[in-house]
Amino acid sequence: DQQVKQNSPSLSVQEGRISILNCDYTNSMFDYFLWYKKYPAEGPTFLISISSIKDKNEDGRFTVFLNKSAKHLSLHIVPSQPGDSAVYFCAASAKGGKLIFGQGTELSVKP
Amino acid sequence: DADVTQTPRNRITKTGKRIMLECSQTKGHDRMYWYRQDPGLGLRLIYYSFDVKDINKGEISDGYSVSRQAQAKFSLSLESAIPNQTALYFCATSDLPSGQGAFEQFFGPGTRLTVL
Repeated sequence: DQQVKQNSPSLSVQEGRISILNCDYTNSMFDYFLWYKKYPAEGPTFLISISSIKDKNEDGRFTVFLNKSAKHLSLHIVPSQPGDSAVYFCAASAKGGKLIFGQGTELSVKP
Repeated sequence: DADVTQTPRNRITKTGKRIMLECSQTKGHDRMYWYRQDPGLGLRLIYYSFDVKDINKGEISDGYSVSRQAQAKFSLSLESAIPNQTALYFCATSDLPSGQGAFEQFFGPGTRLTVL
């Protein structure tokens, strides 16, 4: 039972354009959502998060949107850069501190 | 120096062998986690520990055991390795959740384990 789903295994975007990565969840008890970025041969690194009481959080080129009624969140990267090419994981937490991760989306930003 | 280190980084072993993966952290966090990553499945939690005396099973603990030797050390053991335990293994740490960084986990570089 996959509580956090990323249905697109891969995404290809042109440099300078917007990248939109999507994530769906099923558990309405999740109270915090995070995005992680992973380069090959490295561990995932934290990118941005959002509390369930908010619908948007922005950090530079990265914005996360949360639609609680649809149980959907998305990560927007504007403008996309070749260095953004990586695997992106969304994760969710219910009270207690454990994270449940999605399957990941591999983003390729082409020059 | 890296805050979260894992040893070994790569390991090839045979079915039935006992394997230990080690994780050390210098972040001073109480909470530590072991995950495995498989293609198409993302990161799945194996075990986690919220302090030295606390050990909890994750969603895929069968075939694994852990030991929390100290606040800074958390080891994962495969008692009798099998081929479907071939995966990338990550250790992570976190502080008590609070404020903007709530629930953020810090990951080690990973151990690539191959069971033949």
